[in-house]
Amino acid sequence: GAVVSQHPSRVICKSGTSVKIECRSLDFQATTMFWYRQFPKQSLMLMATSNEGSKATYEQGVEKDKFLINHASLTLSTLTVTSAHPEDSSFYICSASREVNQPQHFGDGTRLSIL
Amino acid sequence: SQQGEEDPQALSIQEGENATMNCSYKTSINNLQWYRQNSGRGLVHLILIRSNEREKHSGRLRVTLDTSKKSSSLLITASRAADTASYFCAYMEYGNKLVFGAGTILRVKS
Repeated sequence: GAVVSQHPSRVICKSGTSVKIECRSLDFQATTMFWYRQFPKQSLMLMATSNEGSKATYEQGVEKDKFLINHASLTLSTLTVTSAHPEDSSFYICSASREVNQPQHFGDGTRLSIL
Repeated sequence: SQQGEEDPQALSIQEGENATMNCSYKTSINNLQWYRQNSGRGLVHLILIRSNEREKHSGRLRVTLDTSKKSSSLLITASRAADTASYFCAYMEYGNKLVFGAGTILRVKS
């Protein structure tokens, strides 16, 4: 089955630090990857759609300068939380799909804790 | 995008019982999907039902879809303790974007 690897699984860092999260599709090429944010006991909220070779498309209310997304290849997308603050603490999850209208395959998420 | 709704928010049952979760949405869809999330983990795709299908089975899972009522249900039969997880429905918007329901937290007691 399709595998999406997300790294790191957990990050604890000081306020003001920038944190990079990687999302890799291990056995398929993904022209599109998605980044979600999930608060405790809540659902996933889409932050942005990451397109290989072009700029990401951000959802309303998501600061693009705060959450930098790079999709440099068909198997790798990165999310950088710049100058992170405690309110950025959350569970971040990426996903990828082979084709449009096909199920998305999710990474295991990254628990980000900003002190 | 508008989030779908799910009920119940939480469900606690004994092992061996059936668990039913419901999902409602507000737009036209091509398909509806159900995902499972173990605590602190990513989501696992369970089943996809297309808009022209009314019912679909996969092992102990049974999904129904009523497009006239814009609702779907997920039934897990003969539940096991290992089924304890959060379950989300999701539909796809333009650009392959998934819109998730609020989720149901299922606890199966052994």
